[in-house]
Amino acid sequence: GENVEQHPSTLSVQEGDSAVIKCTYSDSASNYFPWYKQELGKGPQLIIDIRSNVGEKKDQRIAVTLNKTAKHFSLHITETQPEDSAVYFCAASPLTGNQFYFGTGTSLTVIP
Amino acid sequence: DAGVIQSPRHEVTEMGQEVTLRCKPISGHNSLFWYRQTMMRGLELLIYFNNNVPIDDSGMPEDRFSAKMPNASFSTLKIQPSEPRDSAVYFCASSLTGGATEAFFGQGTRLTVV
Repeated sequence: GENVEQHPSTLSVQEGDSAVIKCTYSDSASNYFPWYKQELGKGPQLIIDIRSNVGEKKDQRIAVTLNKTAKHFSLHITETQPEDSAVYFCAASPLTGNQFYFGTGTSLTVIP
Repeated sequence: DAGVIQSPRHEVTEMGQEVTLRCKPISGHNSLFWYRQTMMRGLELLIYFNNNVPIDDSGMPEDRFSAKMPNASFSTLKIQPSEPRDSAVYFCASSLTGGATEAFFGQGTRLTVV
């Protein structure tokens, strides 16, 4: 089955700096890569996703890049704000199987 | 839509007791997932249903765990008998077609077994 690894497990940045979270996956059949943000006491919520036919996608301060050859994808948050502090999960989903395989999460702290 | 609704939000029970967690998916979604979240293991997929049929239950820890989806608007996850190591946050999520589309998560049920 799919194995998703995520790094780092914790990340602290100064407000206004950029944050980068990286994930690798093992199954070349995976073609959908969502990123979820989980705030304290809440369920994960989708913030951005990318499909395998696209190399990069951007939504305001958030961007995701995908390298299918190397089987890795990354989340980039620019101009970080204190409200970006949360746990972020990457996931991979193969076309077959209809499942999401999650990374272990990154706890991001933005220091005002 | 109110989103995915889980109940109860918190459950404290004694070891050996039966626990039932409930989930109402978003109307129109045909895939439903149960996840368990712990500090040690992160988000683990326990089971998922497609059109009310269990597709993959390989993540269910052992026979003490069972899940049902009697109709498109309701699912339960039951633990009998419960053990302290079952303490975790349990999430239900639903999506339109399973993988490759957004999964919407409920608020979770925090289970504590003492």
